[in-house]
Amino acid sequence: GIQVEQSPPDLILQEGANSTLRCNFSDSVNNLQWFHQNPWGQLINLFYIPSGTKQNGRLSATTVATERYSLLYISSSQTTDSGVYFCAVQGGSYIPTFGRGTSLIVHP
Amino acid sequence: EAGVVQSPRYKIIEKKQPVAFWCNPISGHNTLYWYLQNLGQGPELLIRYENEEAVDDSQLPKDRFSAERLKGVDSTLKIQPAELGDSAVYLCASSLDIAGGPETQYFGPGTRLLVL
Repeated sequence: GIQVEQSPPDLILQEGANSTLRCNFSDSVNNLQWFHQNPWGQLINLFYIPSGTKQNGRLSATTVATERYSLLYISSSQTTDSGVYFCAVQGGSYIPTFGRGTSLIVHP
Repeated sequence: EAGVVQSPRYKIIEKKQPVAFWCNPISGHNTLYWYLQNLGQGPELLIRYENEEAVDDSQLPKDRFSAERLKGVDSTLKIQPAELGDSAVYLCASSLDIAGGPETQYFGPGTRLLVL
């Protein structure tokens, strides 16, 4: 199956800082999603982005499908951004594969 | 619009006991997923349904796990008998998949299972 690697595994920021999270995948994909898992365990959709660039407020994402990676940008981070960020892909078999996540802590 | 509903939210059982989890997907969503998430890891697919048909169940330990999705709406995941290693969070997700391929998945809050 498709391998998904996320980096960095852990990230600690001061409020107001910017960050970039990376997701590499080993094969072509039909679907790529970014999720935020909050401290209560709820997985929240951030982006559905199999290719191209999208922006939603302070968050934006870019997927370069031909080079098999996606980036999630967080600008002017807030304490509520803390949690784990997951990248999930689906290839030709449609079987979803998640990365191990990036754990983000934002200090006030 | 209501999101994905799961129950119970928490369950504590003794090993060798049976346990069942219930999921109600977003209305109209044809695809339903069950995942297992261990601490510090990403969710891992157990089974995927397209309507009432299980189309991906290779990761489901069929000796003790079973699932059903009657009438292509609600779904139940069962473990019998439970083992200590089954302690985890069980997540349900749904999506409205069209001919072009998989679409956005929406997750429920999960069921936290502790097997003693």
